[in-house]
Amino acid sequence: GQNIDQPTEMTATEGAIVQINCTYQTSGFNGLFWYQQHAGEAPTFLSYNVLDGLEEKGRFSSFLSRSKGYSYLLLKELQMKDSASYLCAVRDEYSGAGSYQLTFGKGTKLSVIP
Amino acid sequence: SQTIHQWPATLVQPVGSPLSLECTVEGTSNPNLYWYRQAAGRGLQLLFYSVGIGQISSEVPQNLSASRPQDRQFILSSKKLLLSDSGFYLCAWFTGLNTEAFFGQGTRLTVV
Repeated sequence: GQNIDQPTEMTATEGAIVQINCTYQTSGFNGLFWYQQHAGEAPTFLSYNVLDGLEEKGRFSSFLSRSKGYSYLLLKELQMKDSASYLCAVRDEYSGAGSYQLTFGKGTKLSVIP
Repeated sequence: SQTIHQWPATLVQPVGSPLSLECTVEGTSNPNLYWYRQAAGRGLQLLFYSVGIGQISSEVPQNLSASRPQDRQFILSSKKLLLSDSGFYLCAWFTGLNTEAFFGQGTRLTVV
């Protein structure tokens, strides 16, 4: 099985930078995803990492270290609308070819304050 | 492009009543399909996944069941709902090659 840990809550100031960490343990790693979820809505895709290193997309960046089982999501120039839950998810391949599972962490609720 | 439809968006059902949630996918063939549930303030819990027609795997024992009658259709059912079945249900599809997992809009189920 998988074990994915991320902080439950974080608070940051508008205009600042915040880093949300995610650690995982898995046997058939096949990629790590970050999603944003506003209350009552479906998750929205933010980023994908499968190789070590940093992926940058505008104000959002995501980093992966497979050897350490570690990822982080970096949000720059925080805006009030960034207040949401951020979900780390790991995709595994198991039970033979073509069978994949996407396991989510419990999510980090980010509150952006003025 | 790939699209995933899920309905209904909201549902209020009495305890003991049956349930049927439907999910269909467009723009891909032979997708891996998944049902997740999110209880209030909790993470997404994988309920069922399917790698093909008639192939269902269950991750959590419960009074829910799933079926895949067609390649791009995935159905979540219950014969008798419990209060604990309340939550936000999400259908998703992805494969090992996708750089994004695609979600439906979700169904907010309230069992009363």
